[in-house]
Amino acid sequence: NAGVMQNPRHLVRRRGQEARLRCSPMKGHSHVYWYRQLPEEGLKFMVYLQKENIIDESGMPKERFSAEFPKEGPSILRIQQVVRGDSAAYFCASSPLGIDRGYGYTFGSGTRLTVV
Amino acid sequence: GQQVMQIPQYQHVQEGEDFTTYCNSSTTLSNIQWYKQRPGGHPVFLIQLVKSGEVKKQKRLTFQFGEAKKNSSLHITATQTTDVGTYFCALFSSGSARQLTFGSGTQLTVLP
Repeated sequence: NAGVMQNPRHLVRRRGQEARLRCSPMKGHSHVYWYRQLPEEGLKFMVYLQKENIIDESGMPKERFSAEFPKEGPSILRIQQVVRGDSAAYFCASSPLGIDRGYGYTFGSGTRLTVV
Repeated sequence: GQQVMQIPQYQHVQEGEDFTTYCNSSTTLSNIQWYKQRPGGHPVFLIQLVKSGEVKKQKRLTFQFGEAKKNSSLHITATQTTDVGTYFCALFSSGSARQLTFGSGTQLTVLP
């Protein structure tokens, strides 16, 4: 069981470029969550997706950020026109059922985004 | 959404000493989960508490859920260097938002 796979592990982008972060959930998990963690801070919720559906994007900035979880392939978190303030660790987590069913999250290793 | 306060923010202990972190909420929680994140690593699920007054143990770790379901604690007995990391509590956001809200975490340093 490969666990939650995130890639790349590290990503460096210049200001104004686009960043694409990928997440493949654990086998059998259909719920995907993205969190952002700034240095020395906690985890901030961004978006919750199921296959082909965005369930809750209340934590996503209104501009430049988007997420998808297509029928085939990994979930993608896309950040357009990155700025220095986007530098953070982005974690993806998955669960087999909704979190309200009592399952803990399984987190991926994260993508550390650095904007230069 | 629901908010939770986690204290202390930092804790330094000598190896062998005990450690406790607390999470407090102003509202009643349906459940609470605990995660550990090693330095440079990712959060790892430890446990979920659901019942009022519930106590669960994992080796040297003891987790408690308050009688009023408004607070929770994680206690580590006789800390080891392998316990180093940040411990987060997390609670389920009720209503339409089906996701976990994490506390700010307690960063534990264990001095050898």
